[in-house]
Amino acid sequence: AQKVTQAQTEISVVEKEDVTLDCVYETRDTTYYLFWYKQPPSGELVFLIRRNSFDEQNEISGRYSWNFQKSTSSFNFTITASQVVDSAVYFCALSERGGRRALTFGSGTRLQVQP
Amino acid sequence: GAGVSQTPSNKVTEKGKYVELRCDPISGHTALYWYRQSLGQGPEFLIYFQGTGAADDSGLPNDRFFAVRPEGSVSTLKIQRTERGDSAVYLCASSLNFQGEQYFGPGTRLTVT
Repeated sequence: AQKVTQAQTEISVVEKEDVTLDCVYETRDTTYYLFWYKQPPSGELVFLIRRNSFDEQNEISGRYSWNFQKSTSSFNFTITASQVVDSAVYFCALSERGGRRALTFGSGTRLQVQP
Repeated sequence: GAGVSQTPSNKVTEKGKYVELRCDPISGHTALYWYRQSLGQGPEFLIYFQGTGAADDSGLPNDRFFAVRPEGSVSTLKIQRTERGDSAVYLCASSLNFQGEQYFGPGTRLTVT
């Protein structure tokens, strides 16, 4: 069965600090997709990134970067120079090509960025 | 363009009543998903439609829960004999196909008193 673990329940940083959110996953499928979503206080889940299991290249988008390591089953998310607007709950999720195609979410990490 | 919409945004009902929650996906998206999110938790999968058919309903907690998508677009989640434990935010998402990223609606907050 698939599983996503986000061990950090809550992180608090001061604006302009860098912060990394950890995500570890379990799956028996050889083809799968990993995702990160942001849930701001307004409540709506916002898609950030999707990564295919065959593509281990790291990705950078502005202040956001993602580090996918198949060897450790991790898909970590780093925010560089954090801002107050980054305060939200961040969810890592997994879907399988051959198994469950719906998303299996982690329990989320609440990030608070203090001014 | 229009995103995923859900109605109502809030629903308060009494224990034992029947409720219907509606989801209008992004136009052209063939896959539609229902999730339930309890306070402080990640969303949990309920049911997934590919077109009109339920491709995976393994997340439905019991037979009080049912969902339909008769024309392959709008979907309705139906809950019979509601219980207080059904209180949660019900989220709908759609994607272009089963491999695509899922885009979520704002959710319906259901409160069973």
